[in-house]
Parts: sequence; structure tokens; C-alpha cells
Amino acid sequence: QKEVEQDPGPLSVPEGAIVSLNCTYSNSAFQYFMWYRQYSRKGPELLMYTYSSGNKEDGRFTAQVDKSSKYISLFIRDSQPSDSATYLCAMEDYKLSFGAGTTVTVRA
Amino acid sequence: DAGVIQSPRHEVTEMGQEVTLRCKPISGHDYLFWYRQTMMRGLELLIYFNNNVPIDDSGMPEDRFSAKMPNASFSTLKIQPSEPRDSAVYFCASSLTGQGYNEQFFGPGTRLTVL
Repeated sequence: QKEVEQDPGPLSVPEGAIVSLNCTYSNSAFQYFMWYRQYSRKGPELLMYTYSSGNKEDGRFTAQVDKSSKYISLFIRDSQPSDSATYLCAMEDYKLSFGAGTTVTVRA
Repeated sequence: DAGVIQSPRHEVTEMGQEVTLRCKPISGHDYLFWYRQTMMRGLELLIYFNNNVPIDDSGMPEDRFSAKMPNASFSTLKIQPSEPRDSAVYFCASSLTGQGYNEQFFGPGTRLTVL
């Protein structure tokens, strides 16, 4: 079993829809929880990070962490075609462990 | 800042050949990471350095892989001999030590194809 599990999708939604992404994990030592966005043929870039449990909001993006359930989520409100990318969750104890990534397509 | 620079961007080689991938981290960053990304295994950490010293190479798949960081502004990942199963995108990333979470900045990657 992998340390971080993420459904690879793909996920296709119409413009304006809410995109919901999630990951589960097994390592209780993880303290920081990140979401990276990766456009086609580019390197991943940090979208948001959260320390421990709780919610964090940044514009149209909301990240949630539930350490008791070992479950993290990313919500994208009012999705735009420019949000089409692969979203990778990542978690850190002393190094990063990544999920498989979920490919999202937002249809205009 | 130019960000993390990797070269070459694409490499096509034949099985058995030596391959050298290069990385220039962001100036001032003291951590450097090498990752490999494939459809089957996702993004995997191969090795990371702190202040030019290898700290954890447990992700290096086998002895055919080696990495060096001779100075703070340059690192190489070498595969010798290369095999078709090494075909992947290899990313270099760097980060700066600090309080709290230290964001890793990724380069554009080197797409390696071994025939």
C-alpha cells in the first residue's frame, strides 16, 4: 500500500462547476499537507499548503485537512478552463511523498 | 530569478549509453532534490542534498544511478548504463531552509527516452 493514495481520474467538469479532489494517507508523522498543480509538460508548482488539521482558503481554492481520518481535500470553486491541469497532493514528514495526481479538465 | 534550470529538456538515447542530466538550483537555496515521474509510479524522490552533501539516496533505484553536487549551483544525475525502463521525466527541485514549510521549486524537467 502506498503512503499517499489519490484517484488519478481523469475528471472532466463544465466551466463554473466545483471541483473536488482528495487524498488519503497512512503515515501519522505527516505534518505539512500540500497541493501542487502541474500543467502539461511543466514542473509541479505549489498551489497551497496547510499545517496540521484545518481549512485554508485562497481565492477560489480551499484546502482541508482531517488528520483524524487521514484525509485531505482541495476544492476549486467557479472552475475555469485555465484550471485544467494535474493536481498532486503531497505530504511531508522529513521529505515529500506525492499522490499519483488527478487530471482535471474544465470544459468551456 | 530564472528559477530552477535543467538541461537537456529532452534526451533520446539507446540502451546501454550513459546519460547525464544537469540542474542549476535557485541561487541561495540550500536543498536540492531529484525526482522521477512516470505514469505507473507517479512522482518519486530519488535523492536530496543539503549544502551539497547527499542526505538521503534511498530512492535511487539501483547502482546504475548516481548523483553529485560539486558546488551550490550545479548538480548532475547520471545513469550508466541506461535501460528502456529508465524512460521518464526527471525533475530537479530546490528549496531554502527556514521556519515552517519550505516550498520546493521545480524545474521544467528532462524528458528521457531510452530506446
